[in-house]
Amino acid sequence: DAGVTQSPTHLIKTRGQQVTLRCSPKSGHDTVSWYQQALGQGPQFIFQYYEEEERQRGNFPDRFSGHQFPNYSSELNVNALLLGDSALYLCASSLAGGATNEQFFGPGTRLTVL
Amino acid sequence: GIQVEQSPPDLILQEGANSTLRCNFSDSVNNLQWFHQNPWGQLINLFYIPSGTKQNGRLSATTVATERYSLLYISSSQTTDSGVYFCAAHNDMRFGAGTRLTVKP
Repeated sequence: DAGVTQSPTHLIKTRGQQVTLRCSPKSGHDTVSWYQQALGQGPQFIFQYYEEEERQRGNFPDRFSGHQFPNYSSELNVNALLLGDSALYLCASSLAGGATNEQFFGPGTRLTVL
Repeated sequence: GIQVEQSPPDLILQEGANSTLRCNFSDSVNNLQWFHQNPWGQLINLFYIPSGTKQNGRLSATTVATERYSLLYISSSQTTDSGVYFCAAHNDMRFGAGTRLTVKP
């Protein structure tokens, strides 16, 4: 049973650049959520995708956008990178309409903005 | 939105000791999970527990939804239990700030 996978593992960018992070959900899951975790803090919810639509969004600017593909995998795009975007980006998957809303997390992508 | 508070922020134990971690939330929840984050950043599911009590080995959890809190119990702690423990509530998974547990040999 494949778990949640994310790529790349690490990424270094410079201010002003754009970045795309990728996530494949756990087998059988159809919903993907993205989180940002700054050093020493808890993860912060960015947005959630279901049926290729953004279903919920946290308090993040429009520089953060996403996409979900027909196979349920997802991308997180961040434009005009700022130093403060340096963080661990976590993807979680779940099954809408399942017995529970339990979310399972991938290993994360560590983004460093110089 | 819902607020999630965890206590204590830091906890240092001797191997073999027991501990209780607390999670308070400001509104009713329909989804509450406990996680252990390992040193590499991976969030490991411990419990999905919007209400009631569950046990898994040395770990157990209780959520009293009507009083808006959840407790995570760790018994006979081991050095491998070290790390940060998070609770997360509600559909958009509002995380607390975590409890950093250090278990000394």
